[in-house]
Amino acid sequence: GENVEQHPSTLSVQEGDSAVIKCTYSDSASNYFPWYKQELGKRPQLIIDIRSNVGEKKDQRIAVTLNKTAKHFSLHITETQPEDSAVYFCAASLRGSYIPTFGRGTSLIVHP
Amino acid sequence: DARVTQTPRHKVTEMGQEVTMRCQPILGHNTVFWYRQTMMQGLELLAYFRNRAPLDDSGMPKDRFSAEMPDATLATLKIQPSEPRDSAVYFCASANRGTGELFFGEGSRLTVL
Repeated sequence: GENVEQHPSTLSVQEGDSAVIKCTYSDSASNYFPWYKQELGKRPQLIIDIRSNVGEKKDQRIAVTLNKTAKHFSLHITETQPEDSAVYFCAASLRGSYIPTFGRGTSLIVHP
Repeated sequence: DARVTQTPRHKVTEMGQEVTMRCQPILGHNTVFWYRQTMMQGLELLAYFRNRAPLDDSGMPKDRFSAEMPDATLATLKIQPSEPRDSAVYFCASANRGTGELFFGEGSRLTVL
């Protein structure tokens, strides 16, 4: 089955800095890669996703890149703000199933 | 604004007691998931259903956990008997297979003493 590794487990940045979270996956058949944000005490919510026919996708201050050959994808947050502080989960889904395998999560702390 | 609804939000019980958690998925979503979240294990998939049929429950301890979906508006996760190591937040999520996005409920925080 699919295996998703996520790094780092904790990331601390100053407000205004950029943050990058990286994930690797094992199954080349995976074709859907969502990212979820979970604020403290809240439910995870989708913030951005990318499919394997696209190399990069942006939405305001967040962007996701995908390298299918190397089987890794990354979340980039620019101009970080304190409200970006949360746990971020990456996931990969096998073609056609949409059953995600999640990474272990990254706790992002943005210091004002 | 359609949401996944979970009950109870919080449950404190004693070891050995039965615990039942309920989930109402978003109307029209054909896939329902149960996840367990602890500090150490992240989001752990316990079971999922597609069109109410159980497709995979390999993540569940079979001797004490059971998951069912008696109708399209209700999914249940039962623990009997409960143990302190079951203390966690249990999330239900539903998805429309066409998009792949999971919509999570607010979670049920279980504490087993």
